[in-house]
Amino acid sequence: AQSVAQPEDQVNVAEGNPLTVKCTYSVSGNPYLFWYVQYPNRGLQFLLKYITGDNLVKGSYGFEAEFNKSQTSFHLKKPSALVSDSALYFCAVRDEDFNKFYFGSGTKLNVKP
Amino acid sequence: GAGVSQSPSNKVTEKGKDVELRCDPISGHTALYWYRQSLGQGLEFLIYFQGNSAPDKSGLPSDRFSAERTGGSVSTLTIQRTQQEDSAVYLCASSLWFLGTNTGELFFGEGSRLTVL
Repeated sequence: AQSVAQPEDQVNVAEGNPLTVKCTYSVSGNPYLFWYVQYPNRGLQFLLKYITGDNLVKGSYGFEAEFNKSQTSFHLKKPSALVSDSALYFCAVRDEDFNKFYFGSGTKLNVKP
Repeated sequence: GAGVSQSPSNKVTEKGKDVELRCDPISGHTALYWYRQSLGQGLEFLIYFQGNSAPDKSGLPSDRFSAERTGGSVSTLTIQRTQQEDSAVYLCASSLWFLGTNTGELFFGEGSRLTVL
């Protein structure tokens, strides 16, 4: 069965420091992986995706994610965090039939000045 | 339209009443999804529509929940005899069906916040 795990409910970083939000997945076929961000009282916004090709994927707002097949991970990273990055982050995997998207439980990122 | 549009943005209802939530997907997107997000929780899949195919209803929590999609565009999620545990944000998303080089990510609406008193 397809699933996504975000092991950290919350991540705290200081502004200017690098950040990592962790995600691991389980799929029966090829993984199609996504990161979304949700600001308070808003819908989810697409950040980046991995479909195929380069393991390092670059997305919106300076975020990037590294696909690691052997560790079944797709961690979200940013070299220098901003206070405005504070939000709820969701990792998702789409199954090979292109139907359902499975979301992790979300990680709240707090960036302190 | 420019984005996924959902209405109402907020709905307060009394236990036992029926509610309808509407989703207008991005023009040309043939796939439409409904998710439920309870306070501080992740996303729970409810139902998925793709073109003229039969919808995947496997995530609907009970027979009080139903959804339809008319003309391959607008969708309505109906909750009958609402219960307090139905209180949540209901999110709609659409995407292009995967043909050729389509991207396949979901585009979300702002959600409909349902409060059942």
